[in-house]
Amino acid sequence: GAGVSQTPSNKVTEKGKYVELRCDPISGHTALYWYRQSLGQGPEFLIYFQGTGAADDSGLPNDRFFAVRPEGSVSTLKIQRTERGDSAVYLCASRQRQGNTDTQYFGPGTRLTVL
Amino acid sequence: GDSVTQMEGPVTLSEEAFLTINCTYTATGYPSLFWYVQYPGEGLQLLLKATKADDKGSNKGFEATYRKETTSFHLEKGSVQVSDSAVYFCALSGASNTGKLIFGQGTTLQVKP
Repeated sequence: GAGVSQTPSNKVTEKGKYVELRCDPISGHTALYWYRQSLGQGPEFLIYFQGTGAADDSGLPNDRFFAVRPEGSVSTLKIQRTERGDSAVYLCASRQRQGNTDTQYFGPGTRLTVL
Repeated sequence: GDSVTQMEGPVTLSEEAFLTINCTYTATGYPSLFWYVQYPGEGLQLLLKATKADDKGSNKGFEATYRKETTSFHLEKGSVQVSDSAVYFCALSGASNTGKLIFGQGTTLQVKP
């Protein structure tokens, strides 16, 4: 079946521009997570959605970052006034909790480069 | 706050060698522990997990035991293959039940024929 998909796979932008990154979770998964992975580091948590609402946004670095999930499926991570330090791979994951199964499935990521 | 520390890489082994990648954690309560793997050009995949003390997770010949007394979750494999070359991440999910993962910095494994 289809996994988590993310678009675009690569995004190059200029400092100060606005970008949107999209995540399509696995159908039926109500929980969705965004992480950011800088070069040579492990992923860092950004935000967690349960359904349509952001249940935990404690990982968002500042108010330039915002994410939505209006219908409880697709999510968009929005970054305003991009800075060079925002360059990273942005990962999305959706979570299945069923019986003894509790697993996050990751998408391939969007590589963001801010020039 | 909660954190995960992994041994630094890269780790270079010959095929059929024994592998250990160390992982220790700091957390309040009773976290769940995970190993994720990222093969070249692919996304993160769950390799194995353990949800309580003394549990052993295992998959594809890899094993890790949840040791609460030493706050560790070391990854082991008895005989590595070239196809095991990847980046391995140790992670925890804390007691908050949100499921958010806290990752270590990753350890690159290269297996040579």
